[in-house]
Amino acid sequence: DSGVTQTPKHLITATGQRVTLRCSPRSGDLSVYWYQQSLDQGLQFLIQYYNGEERAKGNILERFSAQQFPDLHSELNLSSLELGDSALYFCASSPRPGAGGWQETQYFGPGTRLLVL
Amino acid sequence: GIQVEQSPPDLILQEGANSTLRCNFSDSVNNLQWFHQNPWGQLINLFYIPSGTKQNGRLSATTVATERYSLLYISSSQTTDSGVYFCAVEYGETSGSRLTFGEGTQLTVNP
Repeated sequence: DSGVTQTPKHLITATGQRVTLRCSPRSGDLSVYWYQQSLDQGLQFLIQYYNGEERAKGNILERFSAQQFPDLHSELNLSSLELGDSALYFCASSPRPGAGGWQETQYFGPGTRLLVL
Repeated sequence: GIQVEQSPPDLILQEGANSTLRCNFSDSVNNLQWFHQNPWGQLINLFYIPSGTKQNGRLSATTVATERYSLLYISSSQTTDSGVYFCAVEYGETSGSRLTFGEGTQLTVNP
């Protein structure tokens, strides 16, 4: 158990709908990362937040947005869902920003499996 | 961006055999991690190893940063070692961090 929790574990929805994925980082970790794992794109970085602020951004679609709240949990919002958004979405956390001299391990949650029908 | 290549893509072993998985990367990195994704989809941290050698039980890893590669050794493999092994690197960020993953090595250990 990494200490990172994600809810829900599974989500089935229809095209055009909107969903929210939730992540709670390990106790004491200030950075939260979101990754998407799909069959055709592999594991891809989406976005990072550190202590409530966006710190790094990957190829995240405009239909997707995220935020980190004062209690440090994070939510990933996916809207106008398409079939191709079906994937396993991981959240990871680390204590610090991870930049420059702060290299450190990222710990991954169990993931949310999203199926868009 | 950085390229991360893993080999072999697939590996089938008999229980008890040893194996070596390789990860090549195209630029200098700040961070390198090895993960095991089990059949249930969970990503499990194996090693944080930007350079040097580490060992944890039957697993060990070596990263030669100057030559831009890392190796993961699995000895006396067990059926529970089956799954996908990913190498992921972090590089070049000034204000944040991101891991770039290789495509993985699919390991099957048969009893």
